[in-house]
Amino acid sequence: GAVVSQHPSWVICKSGTSVKIECRSLDFQATTMFWYRQFPKQSLMLMATSNEGSKATYEQGVEKDKFLINHASLTLSTLTVTSAHPEDSSFYICSATGTFNTGELFFGEGSRLTVL
Amino acid sequence: AQSVAQPEDQVNVAEGNPLTVKCTYSVSGNPYLFWYVQYPNRGLQFLLKYITGDNLVKGSYGFEAEFNKSQTSFHLKKPSALVSDSALYFCAVRVPSGNTPLVFGKGTRLSVIA
Repeated sequence: GAVVSQHPSWVICKSGTSVKIECRSLDFQATTMFWYRQFPKQSLMLMATSNEGSKATYEQGVEKDKFLINHASLTLSTLTVTSAHPEDSSFYICSATGTFNTGELFFGEGSRLTVL
Repeated sequence: AQSVAQPEDQVNVAEGNPLTVKCTYSVSGNPYLFWYVQYPNRGLQFLLKYITGDNLVKGSYGFEAEFNKSQTSFHLKKPSALVSDSALYFCAVRVPSGNTPLVFGKGTRLSVIA
């Protein structure tokens, strides 16, 4: 099956710093990537959709200047949490799909961000 | 807009007993339906999907689900639960049009008791 790798798995940072999370499709070309956020014991909420080479489309209520998403290649998308604050602490999960038509999305292992 | 309802926050079942985790959905047209499982501090593991065809779908680890169009349901089942099945289960729906995201239910925590 298609593999999506997410890095880092865990990151702890100080308030006010920026953190970059990478999402890579290892064995397929990811034409579209989705970024989700999950609060403890809650569901996954879609943050944004990014198509390769285009600006990301953000869901309502998601600050695009705080959560910068780049999808510059068919195998890599990045989420940068800028000027992170404790309320940004969360579990961030990326998923990807390609040109194949299996219907499913392929998920990374997630990144746990803790902002002190 | 599509939505998914998982009416139970928690399901408890004894090991060896059958388990059911409920899911209903709302979407225009014919949906793609999915079940994922999540272990603590881990990403999502794909269990099974319904795209088209046979309403009874068999997936990983002995799980299965039945697509019921009239009841707009896609309940997850397993004939004999294992303690290792204890985890958080998510039902999700996707509109089969272009590169659309998955919309998730709130999740159901399954606890299998030895």
